Amino acid sequence: EDKVVQSPLSLVVHEGDTVTLNCSYEVTNFRSLLWYKQEKKAPTFLFMLTSSGIEKKSGRLSSILDKKELSSILNITATQTGDSAIYLCAVAPNNAGNMLTFGGGTRLMVKP
Amino acid sequence: DTEVTQTPKHLVMGMTNKKSLKCEQHMGHRAMYWYKQKAKKPPELMFVYSYEKLSINESVPSRFSPECPNSSLLNLHLHALQPEDSALYLCASSQQRAGTGNSPLHFGNGTRLTVT
Repeated sequence: EDKVVQSPLSLVVHEGDTVTLNCSYEVTNFRSLLWYKQEKKAPTFLFMLTSSGIEKKSGRLSSILDKKELSSILNITATQTGDSAIYLCAVAPNNAGNMLTFGGGTRLMVKP
Repeated sequence: DTEVTQTPKHLVMGMTNKKSLKCEQHMGHRAMYWYKQKAKKPPELMFVYSYEKLSINESVPSRFSPECPNSSLLNLHLHALQPEDSALYLCASSQQRAGTGNSPLHFGNGTRLTVT
């Protein structure tokens, strides 16, 4: 059974801090790993990673995949209160169908 | 706001009611999904439609009945639900298979369903 585990479960930081969120996976026939941010409603797409070692970056957020270690990290620098959300990691296996396996999420709270 | 539109935003229904959740996207995506999300849990896949055909049913009880009238619309018909079915129901779409190439899932804002 495919499995995605995120850590930490929750995190409280102050504005300006840098955070690193972790995602590890056990998936048969891995295709890609996706990061989402969920505030009160829809998860919004952040990154999709398919190749190991290549960093994807968008403003203060960046992510990298390590296929050897079966893991990915999401970094947020100079955190702001608007970064407070649940960050979800999901993995897509390379089989027929359209299934994503989600991790349990990391709840990030950024205090002023 | 997302490009996947779900209605209604909130729904309260009794256990004997019949209601429908609706989802619409005009991004030309060919795969559409229903997910269920309980509080403090990740989304759980319910159904996947690919090119308007049901391709995955994750052993969902028959009181949930999906329908894909065309490539832009996805419905979820609800009948005889139980209180434990109360959750956020998320619709999503992707251009191709989820996670393929440049094809991430795009989620709607969800319908918050309460079954009384």
